[in-house]
Amino acid sequence: GAGVSQSPSNKVTEKGKDVELRCDPISGHTALYWYRQRLGQGLEFLIYFQGNSAPDKSGLPSDRFSAERTGESVSTLTIQRTQQEDSAVYLCASSLIASGGTDTQYFGPGTRLTVL
Amino acid sequence: AQSVTQLGSHVSVSEGALVLLRCNYSSSVPPYLFWYVQYPNQGLQLLLKYTSAATLVKGINGFEAEFKKSETSFHLTKPSAHMSDAAEYFCAVSDQPGTYKYIFGTGTRLKVLA
Repeated sequence: GAGVSQSPSNKVTEKGKDVELRCDPISGHTALYWYRQRLGQGLEFLIYFQGNSAPDKSGLPSDRFSAERTGESVSTLTIQRTQQEDSAVYLCASSLIASGGTDTQYFGPGTRLTVL
Repeated sequence: AQSVTQLGSHVSVSEGALVLLRCNYSSSVPPYLFWYVQYPNQGLQLLLKYTSAATLVKGINGFEAEFKKSETSFHLTKPSAHMSDAAEYFCAVSDQPGTYKYIFGTGTRLKVLA
């Protein structure tokens, strides 16, 4: 079946512009996660959605970052007034449920964002 | 706070040689541990996970990892490297029941030499 898909695969933008990144989770997966992967670093948790519950936004680095998800479908991550330090690969993952830290997260291929 | 350390950002092995990728964790409670692999231009794929059952965990593609509480380690091994194993490998930990937040290591890039 189809895995997690993300678009665009690459995005180059100018400093100060807004960008929107999209994630299509695996059908039926109730949990969705966004991570940031800076060059040479591990994955950094950004935000988590579980069904219709309030999202956990504790990993968002600033108020320029926001994310939305409608029900159990597509999610968008928006970065306003982009800065050069926002340059990174943004990864999305989904899982069937989020239970006790054992549920497998399935990752998309990521969106590589470059801010000039 | 929980953390993960992967020793060696780059590891090179000859084809057919043993693969050993190191991961040490810091956790105050029994953790859940994961190894993910990322092939070029692809998303992360789960190799294996430890969830407090058997300490020796077998994963896909011939990889396995052993949980050693006394050493706070979860090293990844494969007896014989194949060219197709060249990729980046990430160790991750989750130590709170009911949490979905994984802490990832910085990754180890494996190169397999012909």
